[in-house]
Amino acid sequence: GNSVTQMEGPVTLSEEAFLTINCTYTATGYPSLFWYVQYPGEGLQLLLKATKADDKGSNKGFEATYRKETTSFHLEKGSVQVSDSAVYFCALLYSSASKIIFGSGTRLSIRP
Amino acid sequence: DVKVTQSSRYLVKRTGEKVFLECVQDMDHENMFWYRQDPGLGLRLIYFSYDVKMKEKGDIPEGYSVSREKKERFSLILESASTNQTSMYLCASSLAQIELSQYFGPGTRLTVL
Repeated sequence: GNSVTQMEGPVTLSEEAFLTINCTYTATGYPSLFWYVQYPGEGLQLLLKATKADDKGSNKGFEATYRKETTSFHLEKGSVQVSDSAVYFCALLYSSASKIIFGSGTRLSIRP
Repeated sequence: DVKVTQSSRYLVKRTGEKVFLECVQDMDHENMFWYRQDPGLGLRLIYFSYDVKMKEKGDIPEGYSVSREKKERFSLILESASTNQTSMYLCASSLAQIELSQYFGPGTRLTVL
């Protein structure tokens, strides 16, 4: 079946460090892929998305490339800030059902 | 901006009580969703709805029901709350077939004692 696997947290980095959060997926067909972010005390917000192979989604300095050959959608940022501390969810949308499958989330903490 | 609101941020109920969680969106979205979020498990879909009076079971519907009498409102009902339903509940909405992204409310943290 369809599923999303992302690296377990928590991930703790120093400010200005390079960030990678790994995400791989299993799906039939050609799903759309998303990264959502949840800041403390808030609901989820869409961070970026990619709808087809080789697409790159980007927002707020974050990037992720839809890699069909490796079924991956890793999240990267060149220089993290304390304000990036949050929980990040990788997700995929399959079929025409508008249903999204979420990964288990990765908690990111950035030290000043 | 799309706004999804949930009736309560925090709720404490007793075992056996009937619990209503309300969600309202203001962007005329066709699709609405209820998830629960638990540590280490991510978000799990409870129920969703494509249109008024339509509902579909998600991955974990047991112990829950839903109601969608108006397009903008989607209610989650716990007929007889149990302690294993203590969780964060998130509502979301999206446009059908056009907008792939879901917009989330701030969540309701429910504690069942």
